[in-house]
Amino acid sequence: AQSVTQPDIHITVSEGASLELRCNYSYGATPYLFWYVQSPGQGLQLLLKYFSGDTLVQGIKGFEAEFKRSQSSFNLRKPSVHWSDAAEYFCAVVARSNFGNEKLTFGTGTRLTIIP
Amino acid sequence: KAGVTQTPRYLIKTRGQQVTLSCSPISGHRSVSWYQQTPGQGLQFLFEYFSETQRNKGNFPGRFSGRQFSNSRSEMNVSTLELGDSALYLCASSSDRMNTGELFFGEGSRLTVL
Repeated sequence: AQSVTQPDIHITVSEGASLELRCNYSYGATPYLFWYVQSPGQGLQLLLKYFSGDTLVQGIKGFEAEFKRSQSSFNLRKPSVHWSDAAEYFCAVVARSNFGNEKLTFGTGTRLTIIP
Repeated sequence: KAGVTQTPRYLIKTRGQQVTLSCSPISGHRSVSWYQQTPGQGLQFLFEYFSETQRNKGNFPGRFSGRQFSNSRSEMNVSTLELGDSALYLCASSSDRMNTGELFFGEGSRLTVL
């Protein structure tokens, strides 16, 4: 079965600094990959997705992610973080199969704290 | 376009009781998924409905059940509540006929079991 690993539970970044959140997946074929963000007390919002094609995908709020098949990774990046980016970030995967797609599986999340 | 609406937002129950949570998807969306979110287990998939049929199911006991109505609104029910059922229950809708993972989430129903 597919799985997603987010090795960093908590990351603290200064406002204006760059950000990279790590995500590794485990699946034999090319999965659909996602990053979702959850602000305190809120539901999840889709930041970006990768289905196929260009391995560098752009999302909302200035985020981007790069799919690297050789490393089974889909890391999230932002060149300059803002205080409003403080939230929990979830990487997720849907594994495709010959019989149809499967459920969306989430990683454990990375909590991002922004310091002034 | 209105987003996914979940009711109630907060509720408190005692052990042994049952609870019903409601979810109204985005207009036109026919797929509704439910997730349980807890600090210890993270986001766990409960089940997914598409056009009133359960299309996928997670590894939860039979106390957790759901259904979807012809207008795509969905309910989930938890019977014989246990302390460990305290969680944020998130509903998500999608327009996908195939589950491609693009979900729109509600703000959740926070259940506390005493």
